[in-house]
Amino acid sequence: LAKTTQPISMDSYEGQEVNITCSHNNIATNDYITWYQQFPSQGPRFIIQGYKTKVTNEVASLFIPADRKSSTLSLPRVSLSDTAVYYCLVGGGDNFNKFYFGSGTKLNVKP
Amino acid sequence: DAGVIQSPRHEVTEMGQEVTLRCKPISGHDYLFWYRQTMMRGLELLIYFNNNVPIDDSGMPEDRFSAKMPNASFSTLKIQPSEPRDSAVYFCASSQNRGNTIYFGEGSWLTVV
Repeated sequence: LAKTTQPISMDSYEGQEVNITCSHNNIATNDYITWYQQFPSQGPRFIIQGYKTKVTNEVASLFIPADRKSSTLSLPRVSLSDTAVYYCLVGGGDNFNKFYFGSGTKLNVKP
Repeated sequence: DAGVIQSPRHEVTEMGQEVTLRCKPISGHDYLFWYRQTMMRGLELLIYFNNNVPIDDSGMPEDRFSAKMPNASFSTLKIQPSEPRDSAVYFCASSQNRGNTIYFGEGSWLTVV
């Protein structure tokens, strides 16, 4: 099963770019890579999803190397409101049971 | 779009009582998921449905837990009897198809005393 490994926490300052890397060595051919954001007292919220190479939307960019064994979520110019837990998930191709959330990365943005 | 709607948002109940959590998925979504979140175990997938049919319930902790989806717009997660260790946030989520994004509700905060 394609479980993920992320840093437990990261600190950053407002205006900086933040890169959170996730390892998923056992990713399957049909698995997508999806990142979610969770604020306290709320459900996780979709940020970005990719399969390979690079994906960019209005919120973030997702970089995926050719071997797909890792991925990096890039948040440009973070603000205090980006303080949250960020989860990297792989799965969804064949079996949603593979959507393991893991422990996520607690991003703390400081003024 | 109203998003995934869960009720109740908060519930405090006594040990041994039956608890029923409710969920209305996003219209048109074929997949419905029930997750549980605790500090100790993080987010756990309990069960998911496809077209109202339970596909995988291997995450359901024990027989005290049951989930149903009588139609495409409604699902319940029932705990009977409830125990203090069931205290958690229970999230319902839905998705349009495999590989697509999962949309979460705001959660039902359950406290069993």
